Amino acid sequence: GAGVSQSPSNKVTEKGKDVELRCDPISGHTALYWYRQSLGQGLEFLIYFQGNSAPDKSGLPSDRFSAERTGGSVSTLTIQRTQQEDSAVYLCASRIGASAYNEQFFGPGTRLTVL
Amino acid sequence: ELKVEQNPLFLSMQEGKNYTIYCNYSTTSDRLYWYRQDPGKSLESLFVLLSNGAVKQEGRLMASLDTKARLSTLHITAAVHDLSATYFCAVDIARGSTLGRLYFGRGTQLTVWP
Repeated sequence: GAGVSQSPSNKVTEKGKDVELRCDPISGHTALYWYRQSLGQGLEFLIYFQGNSAPDKSGLPSDRFSAERTGGSVSTLTIQRTQQEDSAVYLCASRIGASAYNEQFFGPGTRLTVL
Repeated sequence: ELKVEQNPLFLSMQEGKNYTIYCNYSTTSDRLYWYRQDPGKSLESLFVLLSNGAVKQEGRLMASLDTKARLSTLHITAAVHDLSATYFCAVDIARGSTLGRLYFGRGTQLTVWP
């Protein structure tokens, strides 16, 4: 079956512009996570959605970052007024349920470059 | 906040040799995951360790978990070139609002040479 998909695979933008990154989780997976991977910070948690519960936004680095998940499936991560330090690979993962006994499956990532 | 430390961060080893990668974490957890990442690729799940004393093996890789010592190991037996990649451990403390959030180590970049 299809895995987690993300689009675009690469995004180059100018400082100050807004960007939207998309994640399609595995069908039937109720939990969805966003992480980012950068050279300086390693892999960092950003936000977590589980079903219809309020998302855990505790990892978002600033109020320029927001995310939503529509219909319990597709998620969009939005970064407003991008800065150069936002350059990173943004990874989405999904899990079949909230239980930590299930592993997270990762998408291929979106490489964001802010010039 | 949970800290996850991996060592070594860089490992260069000859084919056929054995080595162990260590993953220490700073708070109680019995849920630990190992992932592999090839250059330019995403994370591939290798092992899920869910209890003290858990041991899992796949090919030349074996992972174990000691929750009392807050330590997981990834042992490589008779390394081959195809194992060259970056290996991450990740811990899930699965409590309250942090449920499901993974805390990652910095990764171990493994290079296996002939």
